[in-house]
Amino acid sequence: EDKVVQSPLSLVVHEGDTVTLNCSYEVTNFRSLLWYKQEKKAPTFLFMLTSSGIEKKSGRLSSILDKKELFSILNITATQTGDSAVYLCAVYTGTASKLTFGTGTRLQVTL
Amino acid sequence: GAVVSQHPSRVICKSGTSVKIECRSLDFQATTMFWYRQFPKKSLMLMATSNEGSKATYEQGVEKDKFLINHASLTLSTLTVTSAHPEDSSFYICSASTDRSLSYEQYFGPGTRLTVT
Repeated sequence: EDKVVQSPLSLVVHEGDTVTLNCSYEVTNFRSLLWYKQEKKAPTFLFMLTSSGIEKKSGRLSSILDKKELFSILNITATQTGDSAVYLCAVYTGTASKLTFGTGTRLQVTL
Repeated sequence: GAVVSQHPSRVICKSGTSVKIECRSLDFQATTMFWYRQFPKKSLMLMATSNEGSKATYEQGVEKDKFLINHASLTLSTLTVTSAHPEDSSFYICSASTDRSLSYEQYFGPGTRLTVT
């Protein structure tokens, strides 16, 4: 059975802090790993990673994949209160052609 | 582009009744649609995958007679929760993909919160 595990489950930081969210996976026929941000409604797409060691960056957010160690990290620098959300990691496997989601990391950024 | 809508956004129904949730792709044709369920503070659980014009493929443990899925056109899929019970109360999210071979490119709808009393 495909597994995606995220850590920590939740964290609270102060505005301006840098955070690192973790996602590890055990799946068959890995194709890609995706990060989503979920506020009150549906997830919004952040990144898709397919190759090891290549950092994807969008503003204050960046992510990298390690296919040898089977994990990815999502970094957020200079956090703002608007970054408060649940961050979901999902792995796409070619065998089942579906996304398997992790449990998410709930981030709260306080003033 | 790639907007997916869901209707209703919120519904309250009585135990034993059926509820239909619609998922529409507004500006693209969705060959594949996915239905997820999300419990409070939990992740998204895939319920079923539906390809236009064919029967939905349900995940293990999901009752296909209870959660009826119809994907009659390239822009509309419906999920009907039949004989709803309080334990069916949840947040239901659909997503749509334009290509069966690239179903990781999913565009999510805003979700429907179902409360069964």
